[in-house]
Amino acid sequence: GAGVSQSPSNKVTEKGKDVELRCDPISGHTALYWYRQSLGQGLEFLIYFQGNSAPDKSGLPSDRFSAERTGGSVSTLTIQRTQQEDSAVYLCASSRSALSGNTIYFGEGSWLTVV
Amino acid sequence: GQNIDQPTEMTATEGAIVQINCTYQTSGFNGLFWYQQHAGEAPTFLSYNVLDGLEEKGRFSSFLSRSKGYSYLLLKELQMKDSASYLCAVRPIDSGAGSYQLTFGKGTKLSVIP
Repeated sequence: GAGVSQSPSNKVTEKGKDVELRCDPISGHTALYWYRQSLGQGLEFLIYFQGNSAPDKSGLPSDRFSAERTGGSVSTLTIQRTQQEDSAVYLCASSRSALSGNTIYFGEGSWLTVV
Repeated sequence: GQNIDQPTEMTATEGAIVQINCTYQTSGFNGLFWYQQHAGEAPTFLSYNVLDGLEEKGRFSSFLSRSKGYSYLLLKELQMKDSASYLCAVRPIDSGAGSYQLTFGKGTKLSVIP
């Protein structure tokens, strides 16, 4: 597509429920990133994919968080048993490859509120 | 570890010039990015520096000194629409494990006043 597309754009969920966030990167981009931005905070790296593999999962905050990417395109970020501290904007980004200098383009984000 | 510092907030007058500084201490360095983020929106790419010096792009310029771990974003002829957060992000050195993520500062909230 023309840009990075994320869905849902807004999600309100009850504490303890599972949520799934979807990211469709720019066509042809092999690198895909998930970031989290809590209110008033900087962007926090979560996970990075090169193709379908995730060489770096170091940013996932707990084992309740998982992500996968299939077909080298769409990625889903799953949060199990959501907690209130999971409330944040989850930003997906993609780049042509993970090589230096490739600009990272962001989607509009999925705004998650856990009540 | 990675540490990136930027001022939290700045205010400048429409038509003026403002310089937003960023200092970093990272385990490696493979480029520095500046992003603009309007409230409630996704970050958008502004500039990329990997070599020392000044990169100019219209009203925006970005400077890098790798030896000092320092960068700045210069905005000229400020407009009201430039009111936004400006994020400095560093890409650590490529490793065999493939750690290519950007590490972001907390951002500088710029308010442009008439």
